[in-house]
Amino acid sequence: GDSVTQMEGPVTLSEEAFLTINCTYTATGYPSLFWYVQYPGEGLQLLLKATKADDKGSNKGFEATYRKETTSFHLEKGSVQVSDSAVYFCALSDPGANSKLTFGKGITLSVRP
Amino acid sequence: GAGVSQSPSNKVTEKGKDVELRCDPISGHTALYWYRQSLGQGLEFLIYFQGNSAPDKSGLPSDRFSAERTGGSVSTLTIQRTQQEDSAVYLCASSLWGSGLKETQYFGPGTRLLVL
Repeated sequence: GDSVTQMEGPVTLSEEAFLTINCTYTATGYPSLFWYVQYPGEGLQLLLKATKADDKGSNKGFEATYRKETTSFHLEKGSVQVSDSAVYFCALSDPGANSKLTFGKGITLSVRP
Repeated sequence: GAGVSQSPSNKVTEKGKDVELRCDPISGHTALYWYRQSLGQGLEFLIYFQGNSAPDKSGLPSDRFSAERTGGSVSTLTIQRTQQEDSAVYLCASSLWGSGLKETQYFGPGTRLLVL
């Protein structure tokens, strides 16, 4: 079945540091890939997505590129801010499986001033 | 426009009681999904509705769990004879068409269920 693997957390960074959160996937079909973010006390929000190989999703300074050859969708940001502190979930949606989302375990990011 | 709404936002119940959780999807969205977020299991899919039909119930953990959707809109997730392991945040999401398309799902704020 489909699965998503995220790097273990938590991650603590200083403000303006570079961020990489690794995500790899296995899927039987040709999935879309997503990063969702959950800020403290809030619900899940879509951060960015990519629907086909080599697509780059971007939003709020975050980027991720759909790499079919390495089955990866790593999240990056060049300079994190305190306001980026949140839990980040990598997910895939397989159109052949009713497009339900399969999530990674999530990683908590804390950015200190 | 309005996003996905869920009620109640918090629910505390006693073991053995039944609970109903409600989801109002974004207007016009035909696809509706229920997920569960718990400490031990992360985020798990429960059930998928296309209109009022549920073609995928594969994530429901036991026959104590059921869900329905009426009028192609509101959905109710019912947990009978609640157990402590049912304690979790129950999330609802909707998308315009669902299966077969590469769409974004939009999530509600969730219902936090605590079974004592």
